Amino acid sequence: GAGVSQSPSNKVTEKGKDVELRCDPISGHTALYWYRQSLGQGLEFLIYFQGNSAPDKSGLPSDRFSAERTGGSVSTLTIQRTQQEDSAVYLCASSLGDRTNYGYTFGSGTRLTVV
Amino acid sequence: AQSVTQLDSQVPVFEEAPVELRCNYSSSVSVYLFWYVQYPNQGLQLLLKYLSGSTLVKGINGFEAEFNKSQTSFHLRKPSVHISDTAEYFCAVSGSFGNEKLTFGTGTRLTIIP
Repeated sequence: GAGVSQSPSNKVTEKGKDVELRCDPISGHTALYWYRQSLGQGLEFLIYFQGNSAPDKSGLPSDRFSAERTGGSVSTLTIQRTQQEDSAVYLCASSLGDRTNYGYTFGSGTRLTVV
Repeated sequence: AQSVTQLDSQVPVFEEAPVELRCNYSSSVSVYLFWYVQYPNQGLQLLLKYLSGSTLVKGINGFEAEFNKSQTSFHLRKPSVHISDTAEYFCAVSGSFGNEKLTFGTGTRLTIIP
């Protein structure tokens, strides 16, 4: 596609439920990143996929968070047993390669609200 | 590892006045530096980037930034702002090697006063 597509754009869920957030990167972009944006906290790195390499999961805040990337394209971020502190905007970005000099192209994000 | 500090969380500026948004970074290796802009209810958009070479970098919408290695700074400037510049601005840094990721600052909300 022309840009990075994220769905849903908004998600309201009850505490304790599981949620899945989807990211469709730009075709041909081998690198895919998930960030979390909380009010007043900037962007917090979650996870990074590059080609067929093992993902860098160093930013995942707990074992309730997981992500996968199928076929080197679409990625799904799953949050199990959601908590109120998980409420945030989840941003996905993709890039041409493993070097950041290309910059990232971001999607519009998924706003997650846990009630 | 790298880190970024944006000291100003909010900057109000009158329309047509100049603005400077401050960014300082910390890194033990050579870096790439970026400024991104986020308009309301949108994703982040790349404004400009410093990779190497000239320390003065020009970006979109009339913005420019200057890389100062001795002061570990990458401040963003615009000589005359417009209402449409109202947005949140994020500074970001990464190492200049492979398999790096961007580390973002906490953002500066720029509000233009008519």
